[in-house]
Amino acid sequence: AQSVTQLGSHVSVSEGALVLLRCNYSSSVPPYLFWYVQYPNQGLQLLLKYTSAATLVKGINGFEAEFKKSETSFHLTKPSAHMSDAAEYFCAVRVPGAQKLVFGQGTRLTINP
Amino acid sequence: GAGVSQTPSNKVTEKGKYVELRCDPISGHTALYWYRQSLGQGPEFLIYFQGTGAADDSGLPNDRFFAVRPEGSVSTLKIQRTERGDSAVYLCASSFRGAGPTYEQYFGPGTRLTVT
Repeated sequence: AQSVTQLGSHVSVSEGALVLLRCNYSSSVPPYLFWYVQYPNQGLQLLLKYTSAATLVKGINGFEAEFKKSETSFHLTKPSAHMSDAAEYFCAVRVPGAQKLVFGQGTRLTINP
Repeated sequence: GAGVSQTPSNKVTEKGKYVELRCDPISGHTALYWYRQSLGQGPEFLIYFQGTGAADDSGLPNDRFFAVRPEGSVSTLKIQRTERGDSAVYLCASSFRGAGPTYEQYFGPGTRLTVT
């Protein structure tokens, strides 16, 4: 069975600083990996996804993530935080051929002015 | 275009009552998913429909939970004899032809269920 661990339930950075949200996964087969963002009272929105093509994936709103098989990691980064980035972020894994997404517990990102 | 919609947005019910939660997927999406998100947790898979049939219901916690999608579009999640532990946000998602590598799951805003 696959699983996802997000290190840090809360992350706080200053506006303009680097954002780094950590995600490690466990899967018996090469997985697909996803980052979703959830704003208050809104549904989950896909930021980016890794589906076995390029290991460095660029997403919306300036976010990117790098798939590192040797470290079983898929950390999310953004060079310069903006106040509008404050939200809950979820890493998820899906095994090719399966339908369900398995999510981590989420990381709440706070941006300080 | 219109996204996934869910009704009601909030539902408060008493322990032991029956509730129905509705999901309207994006038009043309044949795959539909239900997830449950408890406070402080990530979403957990409940059930997946391809067309009218439930292709995977392995996430339903017990037989009090049931979901239907009779015409392959709208889906209803039904919970009998509700318990306080059922309190959560219930999320619905849809995708085109199931979630292949290029098919994204689009999520609705959720229904917040509170069982008192």
